[in-house]
Amino acid sequence: EPEVTQTPSHQVTQMGQEVILRCVPISNHLYFYWYRQILGQKVEFLVSFYNNEISEKSEIFDDQFSVERPDGSNFTLKIRSTKLEDSAMYFCASNRLAETQYFGPGTRLLVL
Amino acid sequence: RKEVEQDPGPFNVPEGATVAFNCTYSNSASQSFFWYRQDCRKEPKLLMSVYSSGNEDGRFTAQLNRASQYISLLIRDSKLSDSATYLCVVNPSNDYKLSFGAGTTVTVRA
Repeated sequence: EPEVTQTPSHQVTQMGQEVILRCVPISNHLYFYWYRQILGQKVEFLVSFYNNEISEKSEIFDDQFSVERPDGSNFTLKIRSTKLEDSAMYFCASNRLAETQYFGPGTRLLVL
Repeated sequence: RKEVEQDPGPFNVPEGATVAFNCTYSNSASQSFFWYRQDCRKEPKLLMSVYSSGNEDGRFTAQLNRASQYISLLIRDSKLSDSATYLCVVNPSNDYKLSFGAGTTVTVRA
C-alpha cells in the first residue's frame, strides 16, 4: 500500500537556525499539506498546496515558513529561523481531490 | 467556541465492553467528517469516514447528527488493540484543510 514518507524522523536544532522538513507524498496525489502537533495538543493545519502554489494557510504559517515542491516527488517545509515554540511533531499529508488525507509518520522537531 | 470539541476522557473499559463518545462541531456548513485514530507519538490514521445516514465498519459505528452538530463513535466488543486516542476530524468549509478535535483517549484493559 502506498504511503507518505517523511525525513528526518527527528531533528534537533538551535533557536534561530533554519530547518527543512521533507516529505514524499503518495505518487498519484495532487494535494499536499503540512500539519503540526505540539506535545499534548491537537493537530493543527498549517498549509495546503496544489498545482505548485499555496491554496490555503493558517495564521500559524507566517513569514518564517515556506513550502516548496522542488521536483516531482518531494514536498518540503522550511522554517527560516526556528523559535522554541516551533518544537512540535510536523505531519505531511496528501490526497487526491476531496478524498481522505493520508498522513506521513511525522518529523519530531526540537528547538533548543 | 472551538471548531471541534471532544470529551478528552480517558475512557477506561474492560475487554469486550462497548464504549461510545461524541464530538461537536461549530460550523454548520461543514461537509465531511471523519474519525481518525492516533497511537502515542504516531501519525493520525483514518478509522472511518462518517456519512449522514450513519455507517458501520466491523465493530465501529459512526453517526452524524447535522441538526445538533455532533458526531459519535461507538466501539463494540473492545479489544486491547483499540487503546488509542480517537480524533474527531471535520472539513469545516468544503476546502481541503482538516480541523481536528483534541482527541478522546480510550484504554481497554484485560
